[in-house]
Amino acid sequence: KQEVTQIPAALSVPEGENLVLNCSFTDSAIYNLQWFRQDPGKGLTSLLLIQSSQREQTSGRLNASLDKSSGRSTLYIAASQPGDSATYLCAVGSGDKLIFGTGTRLQVFP
Amino acid sequence: GAGVSQTPSNKVTEKGKYVELRCDPISGHTALYWYRQSLGQGPEFLIYFQGTGAADDSGLPNDRFFAVRPEGSVSTLKIQRTERGDSAVYLCASSSTPGLAGEQFFGPGTRLTVL
Repeated sequence: KQEVTQIPAALSVPEGENLVLNCSFTDSAIYNLQWFRQDPGKGLTSLLLIQSSQREQTSGRLNASLDKSSGRSTLYIAASQPGDSATYLCAVGSGDKLIFGTGTRLQVFP
Repeated sequence: GAGVSQTPSNKVTEKGKYVELRCDPISGHTALYWYRQSLGQGPEFLIYFQGTGAADDSGLPNDRFFAVRPEGSVSTLKIQRTERGDSAVYLCASSSTPGLAGEQFFGPGTRLTVL
């Protein structure tokens, strides 16, 4: 059974820092991996989608990498801003569904 | 519309009652998913529709839960004899591509509270 783990569970940093959020999964037979952002009381906003054949994807200050063989993905956030404060969720595509981790709650203070 | 919409945004009901939650996917998206998110957890898969048919309903917790998508667009999640443990945020997502080939776009969710 596929299990997805995210560490750390929470992170608080000053504005301007570069951050790394970690996601690990137990079964390397994944279709893709998607990173989402969730603001309190809101739905999920897709940030990056990495297909299983890809190693990384970039969008603005965000870069996500995927290492299927080791069952890991990282989300790198450059030059963090207070507006980046949210919960970040990793989800692996397995079968015909997404399987989510429990998220990393990020707070960036001025 | 521009995105996935869900109604109602909040629903409070009493134990034992019947509820319906509605999802309007992005126009033209053939794939539709329902997930459930409990407090402090990531979303958990409930059911996946491709067109009008349920391609995978393995995540539905029991036979009190049922979902339909009669015309291949709007979907309704139906919960009978609600229990306090059903309280959660119910999220809907749609995709333009069958299965997992495409990106999933999520709605804002319906927060269900069972008293």
